[in-house]
Amino acid sequence: QQQVKQSPQSLIVQKGGISIINCAYENTAFDYFPWYQQFPGKGPALLIAIRPDVSEKKEGRFTISFNKSAKQFSLHIMDSQPGDSATYFCAARGQGGSEKLVFGKGTKLTVNP
Amino acid sequence: DSGVTQTPKHLITATGQRVTLRCSPRSGDLSVYWYQQSLDQGLQFLIQYYNGEERAKGNILERFSAQQFPDLHSELNLSSLELGDSALYFCASSWGQGGDQPQHFGDGTRLSIL
Repeated sequence: QQQVKQSPQSLIVQKGGISIINCAYENTAFDYFPWYQQFPGKGPALLIAIRPDVSEKKEGRFTISFNKSAKQFSLHIMDSQPGDSATYFCAARGQGGSEKLVFGKGTKLTVNP
Repeated sequence: DSGVTQTPKHLITATGQRVTLRCSPRSGDLSVYWYQQSLDQGLQFLIQYYNGEERAKGNILERFSAQQFPDLHSELNLSSLELGDSALYFCASSWGQGGDQPQHFGDGTRLSIL
């Protein structure tokens, strides 16, 4: 059972463009939604995270938009750069003391120069 | 550099064998998490330890076991290995439990079963 669905599976964007990755979840007990960035040969690294009581969070060129009623959230990368080329994972964490992360299947982003 | 150290980086072994993966968390972190990453299943949570005690269990097979030692490093033991166990195994750590404490990942151990 896939609790966090992520799309698209792959994305190609031109330098300077906007990259948008979407995720949807079903479990309303999730209370924390991080995004991770993973480069080949490396572990996932936390990029930005949001709680469901906030509709948007921005850090530099990275923005999370959160729609609690639709149970969807998305990552926007503004002014995408070739160095942003990586695999991006959305995740969700349950409440009530369960810290395990449930991950989406990932989006491979390629930013062409 | 996340501060989480995993050894070895690569492990090649045969079916039926047993291996031990090691994780040293970031200095001061009490929680350790193990995840398995494969092409078909993605990143799957296996198990969490907090200050030496098992905290949560995920999709961990009975052939797999883990522990966290008094110095807070953790080991993941995989036995009776099967071809399907070939994957990347990640360890992550965080300071405590709950809240918005991020999990910091190591660079993983790539396990190949021949």
